[in-house]
Amino acid sequence: DIQMTQSPSSLSASVGDRVTITCRASQSISSFLNWYQQKPGKAPKLLTISASTLQSGVPSRFSGRGSGTDFTLTISSLQPEDFATYYCQQSYTTPITFGQGTRLEIK
Amino acid sequence: EVQLLESGGGLVQPGGSLRLSCAASGFSFSSYDMGWVRQAPGKGLEWVSGISNSGVDTYYTDSVKGRFTISRDNSKNTIYLQMNSLRVEDTAVYYCAKDSPRTDGYFYFDYWGRGTLVTVSS
Repeated sequence: DIQMTQSPSSLSASVGDRVTITCRASQSISSFLNWYQQKPGKAPKLLTISASTLQSGVPSRFSGRGSGTDFTLTISSLQPEDFATYYCQQSYTTPITFGQGTRLEIK
Repeated sequence: EVQLLESGGGLVQPGGSLRLSCAASGFSFSSYDMGWVRQAPGKGLEWVSGISNSGVDTYYTDSVKGRFTISRDNSKNTIYLQMNSLRVEDTAVYYCAKDSPRTDGYFYFDYWGRGTLVTVSS
């Protein structure tokens, strides 16, 4: 199975900050990397697909990069509604695997 | 509007069975692969199973192989997850999710249900 490792596991930041979350795959997954946002008690929301393509309706302050084994999700200027947990997910092969999550908290 | 509504969760003893259902609406159901993702209390997301649009191809994570069976009825716009030999570690919120339109790779999910809680406990 492909292991997905996110860092950091948690992050404290302020409104307006630029933050970057990293996701590393245990083997190359080309660009088959997707990011989700989850708020407490809610279902996950798909943010980006294929490493860098924003889903419709996702604000442009979110951006994804990477290929192979190393990927990032950057939020350019944090807004209050961005405080949530973020997960990466590989769709290169089954079993589909998620990272352990990065909890983004208000400083 | 895409809607996914799970049902069938509840409390079951270890070794017991449950069948989850997910009723879909608002899209051409028979055109899309579907899946189940679970989340144990306070934990991260874990993909459980997926099924092709026709129902011919099914996929499972190793920990549920031989115990869980995914199926679908395209005439009823519904997918199912039959869960047998349940274990305490299967306790989780189970989400039904719609696969995105894609031409390669495997599942990634653009719409999710609200989830149904399965508790396995004696």
